[in-house]
Amino acid sequence: EPEVTQTPSHQVTQMGQEVILRCVPISNHLYFYWYRQILGQKVEFLVSFYNNEISEKSEIFDDQFSVERPDGSNFTLKIRSTKLEDSAMYFCASSQDRGRGGYTFGSGTRLTVV
Amino acid sequence: GEDVEQSLFLSVREGDSSVINCTYTDSSSTYLYWYKQEPGAGLQLLTYIFSNMDMKQDQRLTVLLNKKDKHLSLRIADTQTGDSAIYFCAEIGYGGSQGNLIFGKGTKLSVKP
Repeated sequence: EPEVTQTPSHQVTQMGQEVILRCVPISNHLYFYWYRQILGQKVEFLVSFYNNEISEKSEIFDDQFSVERPDGSNFTLKIRSTKLEDSAMYFCASSQDRGRGGYTFGSGTRLTVV
Repeated sequence: GEDVEQSLFLSVREGDSSVINCTYTDSSSTYLYWYKQEPGAGLQLLTYIFSNMDMKQDQRLTVLLNKKDKHLSLRIADTQTGDSAIYFCAEIGYGGSQGNLIFGKGTKLSVKP
């Protein structure tokens, strides 16, 4: 069964450093997403991406965040200057369309900012 | 704004049925989902229901939707120890969420042998 692959599975970084979280969505999917889950809290929407541009973003997705599809297979989330409160599990997801069959999620990257 | 609420914990004995409940606020929701998260793993789509349906059955899983009360439930028949996980209810609404998934906090299901 096709999978969404995320790397690394765990990243520790110092406050103020830049991090890039990587994802390989399912190859025939058209929509890509980043969600995050702070420990003990809800899974929250960050951003959706379609046709090589951001289609929606939440209030959480401020100027320190950016996304990119640098080559035709990878989908990355960059956090420019990490803060302690960015520590969370970050999930990448992809879908063929909006809704219906649901999204396929990756296993997540646990980001720890120290 | 949209919100999805679930109870946080459920404990059952192996072989019993589990019922996990969820309420949501967005009346424009078109699809409602149940995701499962095992320790250290991602979010696995279990099943989903379209908002014009009342019930959907898929092997041991039964989803009931009461659109009037905005209540969704997931019943797992003959619960096994391998069903121990966190179960997330999620909706896609086309109100403020603009077609993105809104999740509940998750219900941790513990299955005792």
